[in-house]
Parts: sequence; structure tokens; C-alpha cells
Amino acid sequence: KAGVTQTPRYLIKTRGQQVTLSCSPISGHRSVSWYQQTPGQGLQFLFEYFSETQRNKGNFPGRFSGRQFSNSRSEMNVSTLELGDSALYLCASSLSLDRAREQYFGPGTRLTVT
Amino acid sequence: KQEVTQIPAALSVPEGENLVLNCSFTDSAIYNLQWFRQDPGKGLTSLLLIQSSQREQTSGRLNASLDKSSGRSTLYIAASQPGDSATYLCAVRLTGQAGTALIFGKGTTLSVSS
Repeated sequence: KAGVTQTPRYLIKTRGQQVTLSCSPISGHRSVSWYQQTPGQGLQFLFEYFSETQRNKGNFPGRFSGRQFSNSRSEMNVSTLELGDSALYLCASSLSLDRAREQYFGPGTRLTVT
Repeated sequence: KQEVTQIPAALSVPEGENLVLNCSFTDSAIYNLQWFRQDPGKGLTSLLLIQSSQREQTSGRLNASLDKSSGRSTLYIAASQPGDSATYLCAVRLTGQAGTALIFGKGTTLSVSS
């Protein structure tokens, strides 16, 4: 069974631009979560989607948004990029919203903002 | 607010040594705790998931324990190998919160020399 896939793997953007990252969950998984990883803050939860609806949201500004499609694939968007948005963005999938279930992570998208 | 701490931040050991990684959390109202491994620049690989009702989980040379009342978990690695070199992260999932969001520690970077 294929794992979680994320595209693109690397991105370089300029301050003020916007960016869209994509995540395809493991087949059959319906919950997709996004995390931001930086050296200073570590891994922080951004948001979670299930059945095309945002179910949970972390403490990030409104510039960070996401959506989920009917096939469970998810995208996250960051508008008006800032230097501090440079990070590894990780996507994780789970079978459902059942908290007893494991989350499986993708390889991440490395975003560099210059 | 739940905080997850991992000490030490870095650890170097010779091959063959048994070692223990520590994880502590401030709020004992957790649903479960998950240990991950992260290789440089890569995503996270799930190692062990311990439900709040469990005391420990084992997988091969890895054993994770959980003591909810004291807010602590340990990951024991037996007979360490150079291939175990990576960053090890622990993460908790809270009770009373919808969804599968994880709260991460900042990790322990392990280096095993041959």
C-alpha cells in the first residue's frame, strides 16, 4: 500500500507570494492533518480535515488555510508569505477521527521563503 | 496548556549500548502517546503507539512505557546500532479534544557510533 505522498518536495518562494502544497493520504484514509516543523518551534499542528470539512485548527494566522477534496486529497495554502514561514510542512493521514488510531506521515514539503 | 519535553536534546552512544530516551508531559489527561523517528530532512516514521490504558508497548528492540500519573514516557532501545541514528520524537493526543491532533516534544537526536 502506498504511503502518504506530498508534492512538491521542495519550494522556493519570495516574500509576499502565495503557495499551495498538496497531500495524498494512504488509500482508505479519510483524515488528513497538516503540521509545520521549524528548528525553533518544533512540530506544530496546523489543521485537520475529515470528509471535506475542517475539524480542528491550531494556533496559526488566517494566512494559513486548507481544504480537502472528495477523494480525501488535501491542499494547504499560505498567502502573503513571510520569512518565518520557511519550514518543513508535513502531512499526516489517519483512517478516521478516532484518536486511538495512528497517524502516518508523508515526507514533507520543504518551503524556503526568501 | 499541554507541554511536552524531551531530555536530553542530543545523545551520543557507542554501538551496542542500551539506552533510554525520556519524554514528559505536563497534563496527564492524555488519550495516547506516540513515539516517532525522523531521519534528517525526512518525514516521521511511527514507532510505537501507547493508549492511555496501557503501560507499555514493544516492537523488536524498542520498548516504550507510559506512566500517566507522573506524566512520563520512556523509549528503551536495546543493543543500539548506527542505523538507529535519528531524531526521536514523542507526541501526545489529548482527551476532551476532537480529532487526531498531536502535541510534539522537540525531540532527542541520537547518534550511534560504530
